[in-house]
Amino acid sequence: DAGITQSPRHKVTETGTPVTLRCHQTENHRYMYWYRQDPGHGLRLIHYSYGVKDTDKGEVSDGYSVSRSKTEDFLLTLESATSSQTSVYFCAISQTSNYGYTFGSGTRLTVV
Amino acid sequence: DQQVKQNSPSLSVQEGRISILNCDYTNSMFDYFLWYKKYPAEGPTFLISISSIKDKNEDGRFTVFLNKSAKHLSLHIVPSQPGDSAVYFCAASRSGNTGKLIFGQGTTLQVKP
Repeated sequence: DAGITQSPRHKVTETGTPVTLRCHQTENHRYMYWYRQDPGHGLRLIHYSYGVKDTDKGEVSDGYSVSRSKTEDFLLTLESATSSQTSVYFCAISQTSNYGYTFGSGTRLTVV
Repeated sequence: DQQVKQNSPSLSVQEGRISILNCDYTNSMFDYFLWYKKYPAEGPTFLISISSIKDKNEDGRFTVFLNKSAKHLSLHIVPSQPGDSAVYFCAASRSGNTGKLIFGQGTTLQVKP
């Protein structure tokens, strides 16, 4: 409804396998973010993008990489998944740098 | 280090009463604060915000208060309704910082009928 879609919604994967989560927006917003939500930690920023091919690290970026080759898509990759990366992942978009976010519905990732 | 803290993991109030959710921050450079509400299996949704040049912002039943000297903000919900039962996150950002929001741990509000 808000023009932001995350896929897949749920995924179970094995330790050591690569995993890519996709965030797609139709709002043409410049800023895109990946957060993870864990009990007791709230939402923590993994990586963010401020334009095509412009990305930077957040507070919990170890073990994750991102790519943004088009305005509408922001990919989060776990190069070699670990059990500590079991979490709910949220993508968010923002129109300007001083504006609230719109969040996607989340991806529940389980690493076994 | 946790720059934004919500020290109460949960809060339970009776329908019709006031709900007060609290949030503390440590970084004096933060100048924009927001509250988000989250239902299970959904993404957080924006609720209300306040700029550091103000000390109060109201939107219907929701009011956010900012005390810069104490580095403290609070969200008041009056009157509380059962549909307000959700997890509430406060967040803070710094102007020109690529819009990065730093979130608190969240407070689960239960409003009992």
